Amino acid sequence: EIVMTQSPATLSVSPGETVTLSCRASQSINRNLAWHQQKPGQAPRLLIDAASTRASGIPARFSGSGSGTEFTLTISSLQSEDFAVYYCQQYNNWPPTFGGGTKIEIK
Amino acid sequence: QVQLQESGPGLVKPSETLSLTCTVSGGSLSSYYWSWIRQPPGKGLEWIGYVHYTGNTDYNPSLKSRLTISIDTSKNQFSLNLSSVTAADTAVYYCARGSPVPSFWGQGTLVTVSS
Repeated sequence: EIVMTQSPATLSVSPGETVTLSCRASQSINRNLAWHQQKPGQAPRLLIDAASTRASGIPARFSGSGSGTEFTLTISSLQSEDFAVYYCQQYNNWPPTFGGGTKIEIK
Repeated sequence: QVQLQESGPGLVKPSETLSLTCTVSGGSLSSYYWSWIRQPPGKGLEWIGYVHYTGNTDYNPSLKSRLTISIDTSKNQFSLNLSSVTAADTAVYYCARGSPVPSFWGQGTLVTVSS
């Protein structure tokens, strides 16, 4: 099973700032990586698929990059609705596995 | 827009079977994969398995011996049965459309395993 490691666990950020979240896979997953956002008490929402393709309706301030074992999610000009937990998910190997999450909190 | 809603008992006794149903509205089950994912309290997400609208399934090997996922296209529902549960199966259970990438998620339902 592929282990996904996200860092940092928590980020304290002010609205308007740009943040970069990291996700590392225990072995190469090519570009088979998705990012999901989860707000408290809500279901997760798909943000990005195939490492860098935004899902339908996702604002352009969300961007993903990377391949192999190293991936990043960048959120430009953080909005109040962006404070949430972000999970990466690999789907190169079965079973799909998720990282432990990065929580973005208001500074 | 498609919506998914989980339903089932919120409390299950140890050694019994956990049974959940996901009802899909705003769209057909056809042409898609339908998945179950869970999240233990305060922890990360774990993939459980999926069912295709044709009835084909695949399960997380860690749960495979206890797991059955089925689909009823006439009712626009798919279901999860997890047998011989323990406290470690306590989690919020989500149903979702799509595998291996879930594109739409249900709100989730908390299932507690306790006597």
